[in-house]
Amino acid sequence: SQQGEEDPQALSIQEGENATMNCSYKTSINNLQWYRQNSGRGLVHLILIRSNEREKHSGRLRVTLDTSKKSSSLLITASRAADTASYFCATDGDNNAGNMLTFGGGTRLMVKP
Amino acid sequence: DTEVTQTPKHLVMGMTNKKSLKCEQHMGHRAMYWYKQKAKKPPELMFVYSYEKLSINESVPSRFSPECPNSSLLNLHLHALQPEDSALYLCASSQEGSWGFYNEQFFGPGTRLTVL
Repeated sequence: SQQGEEDPQALSIQEGENATMNCSYKTSINNLQWYRQNSGRGLVHLILIRSNEREKHSGRLRVTLDTSKKSSSLLITASRAADTASYFCATDGDNNAGNMLTFGGGTRLMVKP
Repeated sequence: DTEVTQTPKHLVMGMTNKKSLKCEQHMGHRAMYWYKQKAKKPPELMFVYSYEKLSINESVPSRFSPECPNSSLLNLHLHALQPEDSALYLCASSQEGSWGFYNEQFFGPGTRLTVL
């Protein structure tokens, strides 16, 4: 079953613009992760934010987490054509070990050169 | 070595065939996972192995049978599959972090399975 919903489902921007993707989830979490997937390939971990954190940065990525609203956002700044991919949020829900991830529906990002 | 490998990359099988998918990691991770992903959908968790023991089975049909021969290897045995089982099968592994929680998962490239 899908724990998270992502918004928008698809996003098309020009190179150099910023891209923002949102994720909402339903149950309490230990952490929330964002992954990237190029077409038909495996997922690549981007960033993990713990439930007691509100914001985290990694290079051109900025993730926020609002546990009161059960939502997170991923911001990619100064996008590049190579950022074209699907982006998924993943939560560990009620699983105490945190090793049972449930993925959101994903946002398909296209960055036009 | 920070890689999870999966073989084969592509597999076509009939409904009466028996085949196996293989996954290997040498990062010392003690949790390994199988996911199923249909086109334009998110990955869905199938099985979790923790310290070589099956810890989570997400109500997967018995025609899928996982096996963890050792801490580096994970297999998925397939038998009497249906055409709707055609999908990308992803393997992943993760390390137990502080406080006993698991951290990010490292994914393999997947096996594209087609059932005729």
